[in-house]
Amino acid sequence: GQQVMQIPQYQHVQEGEDFTTYCNSSTTLSNIQWYKQRPGGHPVFLIQLVKSGEVKKQKRLTFQFGEAKKNSSLHITATQTTDVGTYFCASCREFDITGGGNKLTFGTGTQLKVEL
Amino acid sequence: DTEVTQTPKHLVMGMTNKKSLKCEQHMGHRAMYWYKQKAKKPPELMFVYSYEKLSINESVPSRFSPECPNSSLLNLHLHALQPEDSALYLCASSQEDLHPTYEQYFGPGTRLTVT
Repeated sequence: GQQVMQIPQYQHVQEGEDFTTYCNSSTTLSNIQWYKQRPGGHPVFLIQLVKSGEVKKQKRLTFQFGEAKKNSSLHITATQTTDVGTYFCASCREFDITGGGNKLTFGTGTQLKVEL
Repeated sequence: DTEVTQTPKHLVMGMTNKKSLKCEQHMGHRAMYWYKQKAKKPPELMFVYSYEKLSINESVPSRFSPECPNSSLLNLHLHALQPEDSALYLCASSQEDLHPTYEQYFGPGTRLTVT
């Protein structure tokens, strides 16, 4: 089955440092979504990438989708304490001909801690 | 309203109990999902409903029984659970279409403890 690995598993940074998490798949992905889950919270959608080589930015966050559509990255510039949480990539397959809905497979996640 | 609500927030039940988790959304989404999340792990898909019909069952044990009474509600009936079923149960919803994929909106979850 589809497996999506993320590295690193954990990352501690000082406030103001940059942070990057990488998402790697063994198979070609149709698209990739990124979610953030704060401690004690639930996953919150950040962005979706669809095109090969696509780059999107949200303020201090930069998302990339690899040319081969097998990997993705999330880069945060100048981290803040509000960035604390676990970041998940998730690949979303279109449903097959017998079903419906979007079957999300989450990556293993990267837990980010930001120290003052 | 982009909120998905779940009740209860916390649930403690014995292995012989029967309980139900409830989820509601009013965004007009026609796809709804149940996930199970263990501590420090990613959410794992359990069930998907599309237009109130069960479309995906990820080989979930029969002690978990989903139900979609209408387009806004999703239930998860629990019976004879095991301690290893203790986890955070997340409900989510999304738009539904034949081709594109859409972001999922997650509820706050029900933290279940089986004793």
